[in-house]
Amino acid sequence: EPEVTQTPSHQVTQMGQEVILRCVPISNHLYFYWYRQILGQKVEFLVSFYNNEISEKSEIFDDQFSVERPDGSNFTLKIRSTKLEDSAMYFCASSAGGDTQYFGPGTRLTVL
Amino acid sequence: ELKVEQNPLFLSMQEGKNYTIYCNYSTTSDRLYWYRQDPGKSLESLFVLLSNGAVKQEGRLMASLDTKARLSTLHITAAVHDLSATYVCAALTSGTYKYIFGTGTRLKVLA
Repeated sequence: EPEVTQTPSHQVTQMGQEVILRCVPISNHLYFYWYRQILGQKVEFLVSFYNNEISEKSEIFDDQFSVERPDGSNFTLKIRSTKLEDSAMYFCASSAGGDTQYFGPGTRLTVL
Repeated sequence: ELKVEQNPLFLSMQEGKNYTIYCNYSTTSDRLYWYRQDPGKSLESLFVLLSNGAVKQEGRLMASLDTKARLSTLHITAAVHDLSATYVCAALTSGTYKYIFGTGTRLKVLA
């Protein structure tokens, strides 16, 4: 069964460093999403992406964040200058038609 | 601004019993989603509800949507231990691709 994959599973970085989180959505899906979940808290929407552009972003998704689909398979989330409060689990998801979303296993980001 | 609230936040129930989890949302939403999340894991899609009166069932779980009341329910029938997890609802902000999640209901089914 096709699945969304994410790498790395755990990323540790120093405050102020740039990180890139990678996702490979399901191959025939057209809609892509990033979410984050701070430990013990609810899932928060970051951004949705369709047709090679951002279709919606939340207030969390400020200028420090960017997304890219550099080729036909990868979907990346970049955080330019990480802060302590960026420590969270980051989930990528994809969907075929904007309905059922399939989530990846997540990347745990720890900012020291 | 769309807000999503679930209750209860915690639920401990005996095997074989029935119970309902409630998900209220504050403004018009185009879609309502239910997910299962096991500890330390990702989200698994359970149901997508698209219209008023929609009802979907999978095994011991049944979800429904009342858009007039802005309420979705997740009903558990004859709970079994394997259903122990956190159940999360999410709503799509009308006219956007922005999703708002509830805090989740942590369900523990006791043998």
